[in-house]
Amino acid sequence: KNQVEQSPQSLIILEGKNCTLQCNYTVSPFSNLRWYKQDTGRGPVSLTIMTFSENTKSNGRYTATLDADTKQSSLHITASQLSDSASYICVVSTQTGANNLFFGTGTRLTVIP
Amino acid sequence: KAGVTQTPRYLIKTRGQQVTLSCSPISGHRSVSWYQQTPGQGLQFLFEYFSETQRNKGNFPGRFSGRQFSNSRSEMNVSTLELGDSALYLCASSLGASGFGANVLTFGAGSRLTVL
Repeated sequence: KNQVEQSPQSLIILEGKNCTLQCNYTVSPFSNLRWYKQDTGRGPVSLTIMTFSENTKSNGRYTATLDADTKQSSLHITASQLSDSASYICVVSTQTGANNLFFGTGTRLTVIP
Repeated sequence: KAGVTQTPRYLIKTRGQQVTLSCSPISGHRSVSWYQQTPGQGLQFLFEYFSETQRNKGNFPGRFSGRQFSNSRSEMNVSTLELGDSALYLCASSLGASGFGANVLTFGAGSRLTVL
């Protein structure tokens, strides 16, 4: 069964600290993995998209890693800011099937001063 | 360029009523997909339209329907509303079919539906 699981469900960190969010998936065959940031009351915004051959991709203070062998991805946030407070959603795409996008339930990150 | 526009942003309905939500994609994008988001379930795929044809459909009852017009604008309709339909409804547009290759989904801000 194609599934995407994210951990932790929620996380509180101090401003300026780093954090890492996890995404494990069982989606097969794998096409790509995307991380989205969703601010409260807004739609998700794409942070990164990685294909099978990419191990790391950065977008400013956000760095995503992908281990296609273990089917794990992480999103590392460096020097967190209050504006990083949001939900982070992992989305995995498969190459086949009618419905080929699988969504995690997200990690709710709160950055406190 | 303008982003994905969803209207209305907020609406309140009562059980048994129906509702129509609208989505205007980014200019040039041919794919529009719809999602339901609730706190417990996360994002759940409703359906996707590409060039006026429904390409994919999620596991939702027939009360949920949609369509896409020749200008790529899309509408979704929910009939006979139930309390459990209260959710944030998001639409997303992409150049090509969602999920394939590196087609990035651009989401709208959503329509918050409350069913009383």
